[in-house]
Amino acid sequence: GAGVSQTPSNKVTEKGKYVELRCDPISGHTALYWYRQSLGQGPEFLIYFQGTGAADDSGLPNDRFFAVRPEGSVSTLKIQRTERGDSAVYLCASSSTINSPLHFGNGTRLTVT
Amino acid sequence: DQQVKQNSPSLSVQEGRISILNCDYTNSMFDYFLWYKKYPAEGPTFLISISSIKDKNEDGRFTVFLNKSAKHLSLHIVPSQPGDSAVYFCAARQNRDDKIIFGKGTRLHILP
Repeated sequence: GAGVSQTPSNKVTEKGKYVELRCDPISGHTALYWYRQSLGQGPEFLIYFQGTGAADDSGLPNDRFFAVRPEGSVSTLKIQRTERGDSAVYLCASSSTINSPLHFGNGTRLTVT
Repeated sequence: DQQVKQNSPSLSVQEGRISILNCDYTNSMFDYFLWYKKYPAEGPTFLISISSIKDKNEDGRFTVFLNKSAKHLSLHIVPSQPGDSAVYFCAARQNRDDKIIFGKGTRLHILP
């Protein structure tokens, strides 16, 4: 079956611009997570959803970052006024329950120039 | 403050031998631990997990050992194969409804 799908796979944007990153989880998975991975680091937690609601958004670095999951399936991570330090691979993962291992997508590589 | 630490950035092991990847953690409230494997340009894939009520879990060539008193876990791969060359992430969760925290990873090279 289809895994977690993330689009675009690569995004290059100029400093100060707005970007949206999309995640299509595995069908039926209720939990959805966003992580960010910088070079040489492990995935860094940003936010996770249980259904439509954000159960924990403690990892969002500041108010330029926002994520939604309006129908409990697809999620969009939104970054306003991008900065060069936002450059990273943004990973999305889903799981069938909170207790299940996460299934990751291949990520979106964001480059802010 | 790194709650999950993988102090070896890289490790090289001869094909057929045992690979041992180590991980330390600081949060004694972690109750579930996982290992993920990552190839370039792909997302991490789940390998094996262990609950804090156990000290060992085995799945084929992969075994995870947990030493709670030392706050240490390790992943053993035996025998190591060329396809095992990847970055391995140790991860931990506190309570069953909390986020998963990852270490920085260890790059494993399997030598022919």
